[in-house]
Amino acid sequence: DQQVKQNSPSLSVQEGRISILNCDYTNSMFDYFLWYKKYPAEGPTFLISISSIKDKNEDGRFTVFLNKSAKHLSLHIVPSQPGDSAVYFCAAFIAGGTSYGKLTFGQGTILTVHP
Amino acid sequence: DTEVTQTPKHLVMGMTNKKSLKCEQHMGHRAMYWYKQKAKKPPELMFVYSYEKLSINESVPSRFSPECPNSSLLNLHLHALQPEDSALYLCASKGSGGYNEQFFGPGTRLTVL
Repeated sequence: DQQVKQNSPSLSVQEGRISILNCDYTNSMFDYFLWYKKYPAEGPTFLISISSIKDKNEDGRFTVFLNKSAKHLSLHIVPSQPGDSAVYFCAAFIAGGTSYGKLTFGQGTILTVHP
Repeated sequence: DTEVTQTPKHLVMGMTNKKSLKCEQHMGHRAMYWYKQKAKKPPELMFVYSYEKLSINESVPSRFSPECPNSSLLNLHLHALQPEDSALYLCASKGSGGYNEQFFGPGTRLTVL
């Protein structure tokens, strides 16, 4: 059972335009969500996160939106740059308890930004 | 400093070899993680250490043996691996008390011949 899903395997965007990456989850116990960016043969780089008590978090060109009722979150990148081309993973976890911060990842979306 | 370091960067080993992967962080994080990542797949959790105690073992075969010598170091000892164990092995760490982001190292690319 895939609790975190990224239904778009790939996304292609023109430089300067907005990139919107989507993520859906099924476990209502998740209370923290993160986005990671990954280049080939490197470790994931943390981008931005959001707590379930918020519906928006912004950091520079990156904004994450959370719709708890729809169990959906999205990452907006504005403006998109060629250097943003990478695989983007959505991840979620349940804070506290015995989860020890165990992350559940989506399958990833390959973003390509064309000059 | 939000850096997690891993050595070696690349490792090639035979099925009868014994080798170790090393991970280090100096952020004072008390949770450390080992992940395995295959191409075009998300990272797959293997082990979690919390305050230097093994807290989660995701049913990993015994040919992988983790060790946490102190709060800054995490090792993964490898013995009698199979070619299907070839993957990128990632270490991560996480702070406590409301700090929820896991920071990943660059990984060790392991090839088992």
